[in-house]
Amino acid sequence: KAGVTQTPRYLIKTRGQQVTLSCSPISGHRSVSWYQQTPGQGLQFLFEYFSETQRNKGNFPGRFSGRQFSNSRSEMNVSTLELGDSALYLCASSSRPTSGSRVYNEQFFGPGTRLTVL
Amino acid sequence: GENVEQHPSTLSVQEGDSAVIKCTYSDSASNYFPWYKQELGKGPQLIIDIRSNVGEKKDQRIAVTLNKTAKHFSLHITETQPEDSAVYFCAAPSGSARQLTFGSGTQLTVLP
Repeated sequence: KAGVTQTPRYLIKTRGQQVTLSCSPISGHRSVSWYQQTPGQGLQFLFEYFSETQRNKGNFPGRFSGRQFSNSRSEMNVSTLELGDSALYLCASSSRPTSGSRVYNEQFFGPGTRLTVL
Repeated sequence: GENVEQHPSTLSVQEGDSAVIKCTYSDSASNYFPWYKQELGKGPQLIIDIRSNVGEKKDQRIAVTLNKTAKHFSLHITETQPEDSAVYFCAAPSGSARQLTFGSGTQLTVLP
């Protein structure tokens, strides 16, 4: 079974631009969560989508948005990029939602997209 | 919310020795505790997890123990090998949305 795939793997943008990252979950998984990883803040939760609905959102500004398609693939968008948005963006998939649930299934991470904002 | 504290931040051990990483959590309702290993240039990989109805779980050289009373859980790696060198993260559900909150990570270095 193929793992979580993320595209592109590397991206360089300049301040003020916008960017769209893509994530394809493991086949059959309907939950996709996005995380931002930086050396200073560690792994921080951005949002989770399950069956095309956003279930939960982390403490990030409205410039960060996402969506999920009917095939469970997800995209996240960052508008008006700032230098501080430089990070590794990770996507994780699960067969069950991880937000608002008392039963957890394993969450599998993709390799990430390394975003550099100049 | 949830505060997941992880210690130590760095750990160096000789090959063949054991390594222990500890995490504490604040939400007494937390019931799922995964551990992830992240190698350079890769995403985190789930290596073991434990649910609140058991106190210990083992998978070959890796074990996790949970003390619900004290609200801490630990990762134990025995007979360490150079390929165990990586960053390890613990996590626990938190807040009203029960979202996984990650510890700050431990850089484990196994010296040959």
